[in-house]
Amino acid sequence: QITLKESGPTLVKPTQTLTLTCTFSGFSLSTSGVGVGWIRQPPGKALEWLALIYWDDDKRYSPSLKSRLTITKDTSKNQVVLTMTNMDPVDTATYYCAHLQNTGGYYSSLGQWGQGTLVTVSS
Amino acid sequence: DIQMTQSPSSLSASVGDRVTMTCRASQSISRYLNWYQQKPGKAPKLLIYAASSLQSGVPSRFSGSGSGTDFTLTISSLQPEDFATYYCQQSYGSPHTFGQGTKLEIK
Repeated sequence: QITLKESGPTLVKPTQTLTLTCTFSGFSLSTSGVGVGWIRQPPGKALEWLALIYWDDDKRYSPSLKSRLTITKDTSKNQVVLTMTNMDPVDTATYYCAHLQNTGGYYSSLGQWGQGTLVTVSS
Repeated sequence: DIQMTQSPSSLSASVGDRVTMTCRASQSISRYLNWYQQKPGKAPKLLIYAASSLQSGVPSRFSGSGSGTDFTLTISSLQPEDFATYYCQQSYGSPHTFGQGTKLEIK
């Protein structure tokens, strides 16, 4: 059974750096084809894809946020960390991590999601 | 970035209705298209991957079709628990963009 859980601060001040940790179980990030992604959702708005890290340490970022995002993994701890610099009130959102599943070696999808964590940016 | 456009943005229907919603990609994405269901206050749930493959455990009343740029999600007979917001997502190219969602409401 795959589970993921996000952790980190619920409140950050403008210009601060946000660090979120995704702790997972039921799969290994050293297994070929596996990945973990981060997605956010501002209150009442749509999902926004942020970043993805693969088992081979390949990393992908949203171009609009790339300069502010860093994604890393700690395979031994079953954790993925996302940092976002220079936080602004518009970054207030629920942040989700999710397990990337690959089917047939080609088709990837986010099969399991964490419960999400609401991060508010306010002074 | 590949842009994903969903229509309609909202939809009213009754229990037992057959419902179809669409998702259009700004360029061809072959069959690299996923559908998710999200209920208020909950994380999204994967329904369909690779345009038409049903995720394990998802009821068979959900089906997906399409390839290239145009895709549809169909619910054959709406159940009360199906009222939610549905998102499409492409996994053809990074970033794996989402559509803006279709909110399915009770008529």
